[in-house]
Amino acid sequence: DTAVSQTPKYLVTQMGNDKSIKCEQNLGHDTMYWYKQDSKKFLKIMFSYNNKELIINETVPNRFSPKSPDKAHLNLHINSLELGDSAVYFCASSQFLGVRNTEAFFGQGTRLTVV
Amino acid sequence: KNEVEQSPQNLTAQEGEFITINCSYSVGISALHWLQQHPGGGIVSLFMLSSGKKKHGRLIATINIQEKHSSLHITASHPRDSAVYICAVGPLDSNYQLIWGAGTKLIIKP
Repeated sequence: DTAVSQTPKYLVTQMGNDKSIKCEQNLGHDTMYWYKQDSKKFLKIMFSYNNKELIINETVPNRFSPKSPDKAHLNLHINSLELGDSAVYFCASSQFLGVRNTEAFFGQGTRLTVV
Repeated sequence: KNEVEQSPQNLTAQEGEFITINCSYSVGISALHWLQQHPGGGIVSLFMLSSGKKKHGRLIATINIQEKHSSLHITASHPRDSAVYICAVGPLDSNYQLIWGAGTKLIIKP
């Protein structure tokens, strides 16, 4: 029974398209995140929601828009995809805000390739 | 050189063996996470450490802050322990960023 699940696992799409990645957690956590993993395995925070409220919105192009219909879901919608958007995106959740003092659980990642 | 290095990259052992996976890092950290990913599954948290040692069942994690090193041990290993184990550190200057190791793929044979 997967704690954090995101779909799809792989996404190949053309430049200019709009796509969504879905994420769901069944842990009852209050906080969910979207991270982008760069080539050096660094997970850069993109967004964080706490109890459906947007808490963190890093300097991410406004083509990226998160949507949290309820505490258990945080979806990522990307408009007008660009080549530079190609990366692995991870959804995560934690009981409390931040990963400094609390355990985080991650989805399996979505490898987005823009061609 | 990556800021978080894990060893070994791959490990195959027989059921019952004592397993050790190592993680070294080069940055100041607020916390270190050990994570587990089964094939096709999500990544679950095993431990979060900022000092000392923690134990959950057959799993033990230790960290030496001065040496910037952590180890994950599995006692009496079992085929269901087969998974990828990932070390991730939270750098001091962020409550949200994580730097991941490349992972250790562990296979336990019956």
